[in-house]
Amino acid sequence: DAKTTQPTSMDCAEGRAANLPCNHSTISGNEYVYWYRQIHSQGPQYIIHGLKNNETNEMASLIITEDRKSSTLILPHATLRDTAVYYCIVRPFTGGGNKLTFGTGTQLKVEL
Amino acid sequence: EAGVAQSPRYKIIEKRQSVAFWCNPISGHATLYWYQQILGQGPKLLIQFQNNGVVDDSQLPKDRFSAERLKGVDSTLKIQPAKLEDSAVYLCASSQVRGRYEQYFGPGTRLTVT
Repeated sequence: DAKTTQPTSMDCAEGRAANLPCNHSTISGNEYVYWYRQIHSQGPQYIIHGLKNNETNEMASLIITEDRKSSTLILPHATLRDTAVYYCIVRPFTGGGNKLTFGTGTQLKVEL
Repeated sequence: EAGVAQSPRYKIIEKRQSVAFWCNPISGHATLYWYQQILGQGPKLLIQFQNNGVVDDSQLPKDRFSAERLKGVDSTLKIQPAKLEDSAVYLCASSQVRGRYEQYFGPGTRLTVT
């Protein structure tokens, strides 16, 4: 699986958009970009995934560059409850059997 | 829909003792995963089951760790004997094989080995 690079930490003011970047320059054509987050003392939670088109759901938006070498997760109106570690993961979309290879992620702190 | 259940939530043991963790996945999820998360790191896959067969156990320390998934539903992960470096959170996750593929995680079991 392609490796990803994320900033170690980021801060965001409550109510503002949180933009979390991820570099995946070695991504291959059959690999998707997944985002999970982990709130303190909880298990990771799926947020969103995409291949090459931008994606949006009730939690976030995912913007993938045209060359697919980087992406940005956008939380449009961050709240204190969005404080968590955010993981960007690249893996083939071949079914439910593929493992997730987590890095160290980005610690997002949302402040008043 | 009930989530992934794990027990116990916390466990403290001395080194060389044995410990077992239990996981009940979301109903209908054929794939079950055990991850180990050491403080400050992301989760690392230990073993993956599809139904009651092992798909991937390449990172499971088989000299001390074992796991089973009888009848393709519940699963147990055992450590015998425990070492200090086994102190971690053990996370169970499950997913469908078809349809939505995201993994759903349980709350984890925090193990402290003294």
